[in-house]
Formats: sequence, structure tokens, C-alpha cells
Amino acid sequence: EAQVTQNPRYLITVTGKKLTVTCSQNMNHEYMSWYRQDPGLGLRQIYYSMNVEVTDKGDVPEGYKVSRKEKRNFPLILESPSPNQTSLYFCASSLWPPRDLNTGELFFGEGSRLTVL
Amino acid sequence: TQLLEQSPQFLSIQEGENLTVYCNSSSVFSSLQWYRQEPGEGPVLLVTVVTGGEVKKLKRLTFQFGDARKDSSLHITAAQPGDTGLYLCAGAGTYKYIFGTGTRLKVLA
Repeated sequence: EAQVTQNPRYLITVTGKKLTVTCSQNMNHEYMSWYRQDPGLGLRQIYYSMNVEVTDKGDVPEGYKVSRKEKRNFPLILESPSPNQTSLYFCASSLWPPRDLNTGELFFGEGSRLTVL
Repeated sequence: TQLLEQSPQFLSIQEGENLTVYCNSSSVFSSLQWYRQEPGEGPVLLVTVVTGGEVKKLKRLTFQFGDARKDSSLHITAAQPGDTGLYLCAGAGTYKYIFGTGTRLKVLA
């Protein structure tokens, strides 16, 4: 079954304790991206990757890191989490990056709800 | 900066009623997508519109892309409780998707 898998689905942690949210897709997609979803703010892009070893900042990258060492995996790293990073996080992938007149379908994971105390 | 504003932000209606959700921008988009997100899940693509003035129908859902490609609407006919969810429009920026602020719909039985 084609899917995007995120782990953990739920996490409560404390300020400053490094954590990683994993993301894996089994569709051989080039493009992967991380979003955070907050009430009233919609989905905001944190980082994206157009292929292995190619990553770039989205709209809200502060406090986050990513890596793309393999095509299928795109982990999100919070080196020193703070309470303002409490949010619902989504990983998503598509066959190719969005371009004019060539927008593909974004496939989302089920989300990871993170609480930073 | 390209932004997508959706209205209304919240909508609660009775089963059988019709409704329209709007997605507006001051920027031109080459294409727009509509996603629906149910509680506890990620958004799922409903439709992509790529031509100004285009109208697409998906059962009781009708999607329209504005002539100037700056706005889109989603019309639901005879809403059902299964239509409940968060509706998001999205546009294609350069190598990134830009999402609207979302419309949370609740259809009461």
C-alpha cells in the first residue's frame, strides 16, 4: 500500500531535549516536505527536499533541521525544542516538486502531535 | 509573498443544505488544488484545477477556478455528515506548495 509513515504519532517532551520525528515514503517520490499545522494558521512549510541531499528552507525553518540521505526517508530534527514548537506536524511527499502547470498530488502522513513542556 | 485566504473560517450547517467555500489570493496561480482533512488524518487531495474558468465536478462537489486564476471556490450540494472536515486550498509556488488558512465544515445530521 502506497503510504507516508510518520513516527511517533504522539510525543510529550520537555524543553531542550533533542528529538527526531521520522518520515518514510514507499512511493519512490522525489519531493518530500514537512509542515506544521496550528489553529488559525493553516499548514506552514518548515523544510522541503527535492531529492537526495537536496534540502531547502520553507516558511518557518527556525529551530528545525532535516536531512535526506536516502530517497525514502526525511527525518525532522528538533535540536532543542521549545514550547512554541508545540504543534501538529505533517510529512508529505509527491512524485515531483510543484512547478507551474505541473502540480502533482501531495501525499500526507497521519501527523505527529508534539507537546513541548 | 503569495498568500491564500479562505472564507468562511468555520461553517456549521444542517444535512441537505448547500454551501460554498472560497479561496482568494492577490497573486496569480498556475493551478490550485483542494484537499480535505478529517480528524486524526492528513489532508487528502480532492481535485486540481489548472485552467482559468475551469469547472470540475466530483459527485456533489463542484470546483471552480477563477478566470484570472487568483481565486477558486468549492460548492457542496446537499451536504452530508460525511462531508465534515477541514477543507484546504493549495497553490503551486516555486518548488513549494502554499496552503490556504482552511475552512472547517461541520454537517449536522
